[in-house]
Amino acid sequence: AQSVTQLDSQVPVFEEAPVELRCNYSSSVSVYLFWYVQYPNQGLQLLLKYLSGSTLVESINGFEAEFNKSQTSFHLRKPSVHISDTAEYFCAVIKAAGNKLTFGGGTRVLVKP
Amino acid sequence: DAGVTQSPTHLIKTRGQQVTLRCSPKSGHDTVSWYQQALGQGPQFIFQYYEEEERQRGNFPDRFSGHQFPNYSSELNVNALLLGDSALYLCASSSRTGVYNSPLHFGNGTRLTVT
Repeated sequence: AQSVTQLDSQVPVFEEAPVELRCNYSSSVSVYLFWYVQYPNQGLQLLLKYLSGSTLVESINGFEAEFNKSQTSFHLRKPSVHISDTAEYFCAVIKAAGNKLTFGGGTRVLVKP
Repeated sequence: DAGVTQSPTHLIKTRGQQVTLRCSPKSGHDTVSWYQQALGQGPQFIFQYYEEEERQRGNFPDRFSGHQFPNYSSELNVNALLLGDSALYLCASSSRTGVYNSPLHFGNGTRLTVT
């Protein structure tokens, strides 16, 4: 079975400051990794994913995440946040050839002006 | 192009009652998954349907059941409601090539409150 731990439940950050959201996973088999974002009163939207290849993946809105197999981590970073980045962020894994996502508990990001 | 639509958006039920939640997948998707998101937690997988059959199931009791129709829409049924069933229920659709090739598209969810 897979498990995902998001080490921070809440991260307050000032506008234009950098942010890092930590995600560690546990699995006995190969997995694929995802970050989802959930804005208030909405469903989840895929932010970025790692399937294979370059360990650094980027999203269209400035987020990036790095897959570190030795540390079983997939931390999410953004060098400069905007007010509109206020949301909850979920890290998730799926085993290769699987169909079930396992989510972490989420990290709530509050961007302050 | 409509995305994943869920109905109703909110629902209040009493302990012991039964509830049915509905989901229409994104156009072109044939697979529907249901997730339960309790307050302050990440979503937890309930089950997945394609070709009108339950293909995979998470760690949920038999009180949770589902159905998929020929048009790929789906229902989630919960019997004998408990207070702990209060949560946001999310429907997600994808194509059968797998969630890693075809990202899950989530609906906005149904907020179920059990009193």
